[in-house]
Amino acid sequence: EAGVAQSPRYKIIEKRQSVAFWCNPISGHATLYWYQQILGQGPKLLIQFQNNGVVDDSQLPKDRFSAERLKGVDSTLKIQPAKLEDSAVYLCASSSRTENTGELFFGEGSRLTVL
Amino acid sequence: AQRVTQPEKLLSVFKGAPVELKCNYSYSGSPELFWYVQYSRQRLQLLLRHISRESIKGFTADLNKGETSFHLKKPFAQEEDSAMYYCALRRPPSSNTGKLIFGQGTTLQVKP
Repeated sequence: EAGVAQSPRYKIIEKRQSVAFWCNPISGHATLYWYQQILGQGPKLLIQFQNNGVVDDSQLPKDRFSAERLKGVDSTLKIQPAKLEDSAVYLCASSSRTENTGELFFGEGSRLTVL
Repeated sequence: AQRVTQPEKLLSVFKGAPVELKCNYSYSGSPELFWYVQYSRQRLQLLLRHISRESIKGFTADLNKGETSFHLKKPFAQEEDSAMYYCALRRPPSSNTGKLIFGQGTTLQVKP
């Protein structure tokens, strides 16, 4: 089966610019996550969707970050305006709600560098 | 607050030596614990979960609720075990959120 797809793989922008990341989860996976991984740290959850509804966005900096999952499939994460500290790898993951094993399937990630 | 701590950033061992990657957690209830692994140029993936009580690639991990630990062990390290290892915690399945809380990760380097 196809894995979680993310794009772009790499993005370099200047501070105060905007950027968007796209994620296509594994077919049939109702739950989608966006994690931020800063160099040297573990992944930190930004937002979790169940179908097209938000389950948890408690750690999403809502003044600059936004995410949507229209139609309960693909998702987009946007940062506007970007700050230097947003430099990180943005990981998208999906999981099957029906199996509920706790296994998350991750994409390859989108590496953002803010100059 | 829920937290996962991996005290070692880097663990370097020789091939054939035993390996123990440490993981401690803080959570007031009965969490589920996982180990995820990321090999070079590959995606982050599940290695094992405590409820399965299984051995994957020779690795085992036992949940010690008294010490709030979930250390990952392997009796004889192989070079192909070199990777980044993350310990992760999830609240019980009855919770409506399956979010994982990750530790900082430990790089395992197995030298020939």
